[in-house]
Amino acid sequence: DTEVTQTPKHLVMGMTNKKSLKCEQHMGHRAMYWYKQKAKKPPELMFVYSYEKLSINESVPSRFSPECPNSSLLNLHLHALQPEDSALYLCASSQEVTGGTEAFFGQGTRLTVV
Amino acid sequence: AQKVTQAQTEISVVEKEDVTLDCVYETRDTTYYLFWYKQPPSGELVFLIRRNSFDEQNEISGRYSWNFQKSTSSFNFTITASQVVDSAVYFCALSEAYTGTASKLTFGTGTRLQVTL
Repeated sequence: DTEVTQTPKHLVMGMTNKKSLKCEQHMGHRAMYWYKQKAKKPPELMFVYSYEKLSINESVPSRFSPECPNSSLLNLHLHALQPEDSALYLCASSQEVTGGTEAFFGQGTRLTVV
Repeated sequence: AQKVTQAQTEISVVEKEDVTLDCVYETRDTTYYLFWYKQPPSGELVFLIRRNSFDEQNEISGRYSWNFQKSTSSFNFTITASQVVDSAVYFCALSEAYTGTASKLTFGTGTRLQVTL
């Protein structure tokens, strides 16, 4: 099983809403990631969790709040988002936490902020 | 700073043609990793290959082949006898090799490949 599962697949939220994106993997991977991808652009790293601890935060605004409840789950809590935050949010996981390990991605959550 | 350049924004080919996607990278690191990912319309990024900076052997996997040339900082990807199912956006990416950075990937801007009948 090499699957990373993300829910929901689509989300529309207002600027005053609070919502959460969920990601799950059962491959025993030690690192999990959130990437953001705007239309016709490459993915951009937001956060990295290594062994359930936040190891990289790419200066992401505080309206995005990551959480790693256990080694299989990764959440991204959203609050007071702006329309420009509309994007595809991709979760990924990798076996190791050392650089260069291949990451496996989920299908993403397409977020629209209205 | 690391940088990945995919100069080809879009490529259109007819099925069964061969196509090469170019990737040029910049890094100051002596140890690094290069990747290719495929992104079909469904959105998921599909891992295709990883290469470390010390392994310049070319790789072939079915209809896919990769040519890594350190001297020109290039990691090109060729699809032989393309098929409609190959239509997707292809990303080349670069990663540092340090512990703790995990898969902190620097992506190129992607090449959209359209294969038609």
